[in-house]
Amino acid sequence: KQEVTQIPAALSVPEGENLVLNCSFTDSAIYNLQWFRQDPGKGLTSLLLIQSSQREQTSGRLNASLDKSSGRSTLYIAASQPGDSATYLCAVDPYMEYGNKLVFGAGTILRVKS
Amino acid sequence: DTGVSQNPRHKITKRGQNVTFRCDPISEHNRLYWYRQTLGQGPEFLTYFQNEAQLEKSRLLSDRFSAERPKGSFSTLEIQRTEQGDSAMYLCASSLPRGNNEQFFGPGTRLTVL
Repeated sequence: KQEVTQIPAALSVPEGENLVLNCSFTDSAIYNLQWFRQDPGKGLTSLLLIQSSQREQTSGRLNASLDKSSGRSTLYIAASQPGDSATYLCAVDPYMEYGNKLVFGAGTILRVKS
Repeated sequence: DTGVSQNPRHKITKRGQNVTFRCDPISEHNRLYWYRQTLGQGPEFLTYFQNEAQLEKSRLLSDRFSAERPKGSFSTLEIQRTEQGDSAMYLCASSLPRGNNEQFFGPGTRLTVL
């Protein structure tokens, strides 16, 4: 059974700092991995998707890496801003014949202080 | 806006009542997913449709829960005889069957059972 763990559970940093969020998963047989952002009481916004054949993806100040063999992914946020404050969720898409139900971690709550 | 939409956004009900939620996926997305998220946790998979066919249901989906997707367009999730433990955010997502299967989420329906 696939399990996803995110560390740390919460993180508070001053504005402008670079930071790394960690995600680990127990089964390396994945189709892809997605990072999401969730603001309080809201739905999920997709940030980055890394396919199993890729090592990293970049979008603006965000960079996500994937090491399937070790079951790890990191989300790097450069020059953090107060607007980055949110919960960040990692989800793996297991390889399945039908459907691709995502398995989520519990998230990292990020607070960027101005 | 042509994203995933969900209605209602909030629902407060008394224990024992029935509730129904609606999800409208992105047009052309033939895969539709329902997830449930409780406070402090990541979303958990409930059920999945490809077109009008319900292909998988989680064991989390007790017999009080039923989901439909008539004509392969919008979907409804009904909960009968609600219990306080059903209080959660119910999220809908959709995706295309080809490519990287990136899932796009709606804003969610927040259910509170009193």
